[in-house]
Amino acid sequence: EDQVTQSPEALRLQEGESSSLNCSYTVSGLRGLFWYRQDPGKGPEFLFTLYSAGEEKEKERLKATLTKKESFLHITAPKPEDSATYLCAVQDKETSYDKVIFGPGTSLSVIP
Amino acid sequence: NAGVTQTPKFRVLKTGQSMTLLCAQDMNHEYMYWYRQDPGMGLRLIHYSVGEGTTAKGEVPDGYNVSRLKKQNFLLGLESAAPSQTSVYFCASSFFRGTSLGEQYFGPGTRLTVT
Repeated sequence: EDQVTQSPEALRLQEGESSSLNCSYTVSGLRGLFWYRQDPGKGPEFLFTLYSAGEEKEKERLKATLTKKESFLHITAPKPEDSATYLCAVQDKETSYDKVIFGPGTSLSVIP
Repeated sequence: NAGVTQTPKFRVLKTGQSMTLLCAQDMNHEYMYWYRQDPGMGLRLIHYSVGEGTTAKGEVPDGYNVSRLKKQNFLLGLESAAPSQTSVYFCASSFFRGTSLGEQYFGPGTRLTVT
């Protein structure tokens, strides 16, 4: 059964303190792995798609990387405005194109 | 472009009442989805549609029905609300990039409480 787990559940950082969020997944074959950002009271906002091990994507202070069993979202010198919940999701090659499995998320707080 | 919009934003229902949530998108996306989000459980797919006039069941379809009469609209109905349906409901849409459908655009959500 496809599964996505994220760690830690919550992370508190000082402004400028770099760290990484983890997304571990179990699928028969990965069609794609996706990162989203969700602000309180709002819908998720798409950040990145990764398709194969070794791939990296960057956006401002965020960099997403992918291995065969997990993905990391690296946050470099975070600012308070990076505070949000970060969701990871995967799509399995063996299932229909329509099925995307979301993880529970990591709640990030960046303290000034 | 408004993107994906949802109405209403908040609703309180009594057990057994019915209601319809409306989702609209102006991006000409073929695919539309309804999710529910509960603390610690992530987003779970209720129903989805791959095009006008089509619908399919997702992971947690029981107690919900959907319709997609127009490409831009996707309706979610609760025929007889139960307290277990208290949740935040999100609508999303996407287009097929030839590889995956993971790039989804979400609405702002509807917070539903069933008492």
